[in-house]
Amino acid sequence: DVKVTQSSRYLVKRTGEKVFLECVQDMDHENMFWYRQDPGLGLRLIYFSYDVKMKEKGDIPEGYSVSREKKERFSLILESASTNQTSMYLCASSRQGSYNSPLHFGNGTRLTVT
Amino acid sequence: GQNIDQPTEMTATEGAIVQINCTYQTSGFNGLFWYQQHAGEAPTFLSYNVLDGLEEKGRFSSFLSRSKGYSYLLLKELQMKDSASYLCAVSEEGANNLFFGTGTRLTVIP
Repeated sequence: DVKVTQSSRYLVKRTGEKVFLECVQDMDHENMFWYRQDPGLGLRLIYFSYDVKMKEKGDIPEGYSVSREKKERFSLILESASTNQTSMYLCASSRQGSYNSPLHFGNGTRLTVT
Repeated sequence: GQNIDQPTEMTATEGAIVQINCTYQTSGFNGLFWYQQHAGEAPTFLSYNVLDGLEEKGRFSSFLSRSKGYSYLLLKELQMKDSASYLCAVSEEGANNLFFGTGTRLTVIP
């Protein structure tokens, strides 16, 4: 079974802090994704990566950056956290080249910015 | 672009059948996924449809009509553990990511 592990389940940070959310997958998947999930808005894509050192903006990249230095690890960075970034953050991975390859999600990180 | 619509909430009785609908508008349709998400947990993959018709997998079935931009997830013999959110997601040609609806929260009552 694919395992996607997010480093923290809950995080509380102060406004202006730099925040790192880490995600590791163990199935050698090429694609990795960061979503945020908010009530009434569903899952929205922040960034994704289809290869090491490659990244693509999703629907809501503002205020975020990402890093993919190794295939198994995809980091989401909030350069200067703000209260509107309080949300559930979900990391996912999938195989490339197969259109029916489902996303495999981590358990999420609930971030609160005060 | 894509516009994915599903009901916000549904309630059904244990042992009954429930149908959760999803409509979509997208360019270059390349398949539709259903995910289940229990409160506080990660979404998990349920089904994938790319051709018209019904795909059955145990108590769960998923239907697709590409010409109508319509899918449904059918849950039979409902159990209390089926209380969860059900997410419809569309794949587009040339895109590596999925586009999600806002999800339908299903509550199963005794």
